[in-house]
Amino acid sequence: GDSVTQMEGPVTLSEEAFLTINCTYTATGYPSLFWYVQYPGEGLQLLLKATKADDKGSNKGFEATYRKETTSFHLEKGSVQVSDSAVYFCALYGSGGGADGLTFGKGTHLIIQP
Amino acid sequence: DVKVTQSSRYLVKRTGEKVFLECVQDMDHENMFWYRQDPGLGLRLIYFSYDVKMKEKGDIPEGYSVSREKKERFSLILESASTNQTSMYLCASSLPVGTVNTEAFFGQGTRLTVV
Repeated sequence: GDSVTQMEGPVTLSEEAFLTINCTYTATGYPSLFWYVQYPGEGLQLLLKATKADDKGSNKGFEATYRKETTSFHLEKGSVQVSDSAVYFCALYGSGGGADGLTFGKGTHLIIQP
Repeated sequence: DVKVTQSSRYLVKRTGEKVFLECVQDMDHENMFWYRQDPGLGLRLIYFSYDVKMKEKGDIPEGYSVSREKKERFSLILESASTNQTSMYLCASSLPVGTVNTEAFFGQGTRLTVV
């Protein structure tokens, strides 16, 4: 079945640092890829998505590129802020997993210090 | 603005009580999901539904049941609440796989404490 692996946290950075959160996947076919963000005490919100190889999703200064050759969808941001502190989930929507194809990684807790 | 609404943000229930968690979506989505979220375990799927009156077990269905009598509403039922069901519960909805915009939309979550 499908699976998503992302780096475990917590990841602690200083404000204005460069951020990378790694995400790799295993899936049959051509899944759509997503990053979700969860702020403290809230549900998950879609941060960005990419639906085919070489697509780049971007939002709020975050970017991720769909790399089929390395089966990766790493999240990056050039200069993080304290308000970016949250839990980030990589996910895919494919044809090989359960729940009609929706598969999540375990989440990465990001802490940004002023 | 599209919405998935869960009936409660916080709930405190006693061991042995029957508990209902309600979720309503206004996007006419076929798929609806219930997850629980626990520290270090990520999101674990309890049940999902791909149509009215249809349901499928997820990874951890034991101790739970669901009901989907109308397309917009998906209820999670804890038949006899236990302390190990203390958790954050998240509802989500989506279009089916193969549709152009198959992203999942989430509710705000219900933090359930069983005492």
